[in-house]
Amino acid sequence: DTEVTQTPKHLVMGMTNKKSLKCEQHMGHRAMYWYKQKAKKPPELMFVYSYEKLSINESVPSRFSPECPNSSLLNLHLHALQPEDSALYLCASSLNRSMNTEAFFGQGTRLTVV
Amino acid sequence: AQSVSQHNHHVILSEAASLELGCNYSYGGTVNLFWYVQYPGQHLQLLLKYFSGDPLVKGIKGFEAEFIKSKFSFNLRKPSVQWSDTAEYFCAVMPRRLGGYQKVTFGTGTKLQVIP
Repeated sequence: DTEVTQTPKHLVMGMTNKKSLKCEQHMGHRAMYWYKQKAKKPPELMFVYSYEKLSINESVPSRFSPECPNSSLLNLHLHALQPEDSALYLCASSLNRSMNTEAFFGQGTRLTVV
Repeated sequence: AQSVSQHNHHVILSEAASLELGCNYSYGGTVNLFWYVQYPGQHLQLLLKYFSGDPLVKGIKGFEAEFIKSKFSFNLRKPSVQWSDTAEYFCAVMPRRLGGYQKVTFGTGTKLQVIP
């Protein structure tokens, strides 16, 4: 199984809603990531979890709250988002944080904030 | 901090034409290099990677890339493209440092359109 599974595939939410994005992998990877990709732009790193602990927060606003309940799951809790937060949210995982490892990406959740 | 430049934003080729997509990076130390592909409506997939050793690396689907350290380049090539190669291609760089998280930086992407 070399897949990173993200749910839902599409999400429309209002600015006062609370929603969560989910990501799951069963490759035994111990590093997991959230990226944000706007149209016609490259993915931008948001968070890194390493061994279920938050390792990197790339100055992401607090309306995005990540959570790593176990080594296979990564959530992104969303609250009071703005329309400019509409984007494709990508989850990725890699074996660990070491030098020689590549990231495997999920299909993403396309989020629209109305 | 590292950066990645992909100078071709949109490339249109006929089937069987040869492909070369440019990628240059900026970083003072040793790096790992990647090419990812994103087919329409699909997720990012790794095409090929360079960590060390032979600077000419071969990936999936007939793609190859050459790392030229003196030019800070990692260009992607394919001798004969197919319609199914229509996709967006991202070059990415990751510094090689002992310990700590190694941030991956992506280029802005090149959209390849192959005309039958």
